[in-house]
Amino acid sequence: AQRVTQPEKLLSVFKGAPVELKCNYSYSGSPELFWYVQYSRQRLQLLLRHISRESIKGFTADLNKGETSFHLKKPFAQEEDSAMYYCALSGRGSGGSNYKLTFGKGTLLTVNP
Amino acid sequence: NAGVTQTPKFRVLKTGQSMTLLCAQDMNHEYMYWYRQDPGMGLRLIHYSVGEGTTAKGEVPDGYNVSRLKKQNFLLGLESAAPSQTSVYFCAIARQGLSYGYTFGSGTRLTVV
Repeated sequence: AQRVTQPEKLLSVFKGAPVELKCNYSYSGSPELFWYVQYSRQRLQLLLRHISRESIKGFTADLNKGETSFHLKKPFAQEEDSAMYYCALSGRGSGGSNYKLTFGKGTLLTVNP
Repeated sequence: NAGVTQTPKFRVLKTGQSMTLLCAQDMNHEYMYWYRQDPGMGLRLIHYSVGEGTTAKGEVPDGYNVSRLKKQNFLLGLESAAPSQTSVYFCAIARQGLSYGYTFGSGTRLTVV
């Protein structure tokens, strides 16, 4: 079974401080992992994919297969980073099918001035 | 190129009324999904489709029906609305293989009174 755990429902930091949003997953195969961001009352947007190893809006995330984690990091948080962040996993089922993402419950990040 | 368009954006229903939410895409993606988003519950999958003419149940399908008669459209129906169906509904689309994750619509805010 696939599972994504985001242990923090809420995370509050001050502007300029480093931020780390945790994501742990459970999956026996080779996963593909994503971070999505949702600003207040807007649609979810793809922030980054582990495959592309890119940095978007200063955020990075490294897949650690040993720790089964995909934590999202930013060295200096900005007020405009305040949003809900979702981690998601794509993995193949027992039959080789891969039809949907498994989402964590989300972490609400607040960056205080 | 609108991507994913959801209609309507807002709706208020009385208990027992019916309605249909429309998700339309212009990206020619195979997979389409309906999620509901509730505070503290994250995203929950209602139904999904992996191709024209096919549908499958997600985590919380009760009280909802779907149809995908055309590849570009995925309809979500509520036959007899209940207050528990008050939620924000998001449609998402994806390519086969899910390597690029989902593209979400802007959501429908539904209130059942």
